[in-house]
Amino acid sequence: DIVMTQSPDSLAVSLGERATINCKSSQTVLYSSNNRNYLAWYQQKPGQPPKLLISWASSRESGVPDRFRGSGSGTDFTLTISSLQAEDVAVYYCQQYYSSLLTFGPGTKVDIK
Amino acid sequence: EVLLLESGGGLVQPGGSLRLSCAASGFTFSDYGMSWVRQAPGKGLEWVSSIRGSGSPTFYADSVKGRLTISRDNSKNMVYLQMSSLRPEDTALYHCARGHRDSDYLYFDNWGQGILVTVSS
Repeated sequence: DIVMTQSPDSLAVSLGERATINCKSSQTVLYSSNNRNYLAWYQQKPGQPPKLLISWASSRESGVPDRFRGSGSGTDFTLTISSLQAEDVAVYYCQQYYSSLLTFGPGTKVDIK
Repeated sequence: EVLLLESGGGLVQPGGSLRLSCAASGFTFSDYGMSWVRQAPGKGLEWVSSIRGSGSPTFYADSVKGRLTISRDNSKNMVYLQMSSLRPEDTALYHCARGHRDSDYLYFDNWGQGILVTVSS
């Protein structure tokens, strides 16, 4: 199975400041035939189901604010929140879909400092 | 609007069985792979199982293989998770999730609120 790790486990950022979350896969999730990274990011707020933010490592879903940006390739990925807002307090998960045995990262909790 | 509504959860003894159901609406059901993803209390997300739009193939996490069975009824827009030989570590909120397409390789663009399964004596 592809193991996903995330860092940090949690972070606290001042309102308006940048938050950076890292995600690493134990093997590449870049499919060479189409040059696409099979990596998604989700946001989960307390008491709610996860919400898809980004697919294909960097493609933002419709309606997701442009302060959310996904980047990276191969085994190393980053979710950046460029200017943290109060409503961004949540746990963020990465997920690989390169393998049919799907796996999530352990999550990163984002709070306000 | 895509809606996914889970049902069938509850308290079950270790070794017992339970069947979860997910009623889907708002999209052409057979055009999408469907999955179950669970979340133990206070823990992260764990993918459990997926099923293609036609009903096969199916895929399972190693932790549930041989004990949980996913199925679907496209005439009723329903997906099911038959759970047997349940263990305390199966205690979790079980989410029904729609895959982004009919594929073996899915991310999830819509989620149900989840249904709680508690395995305890």
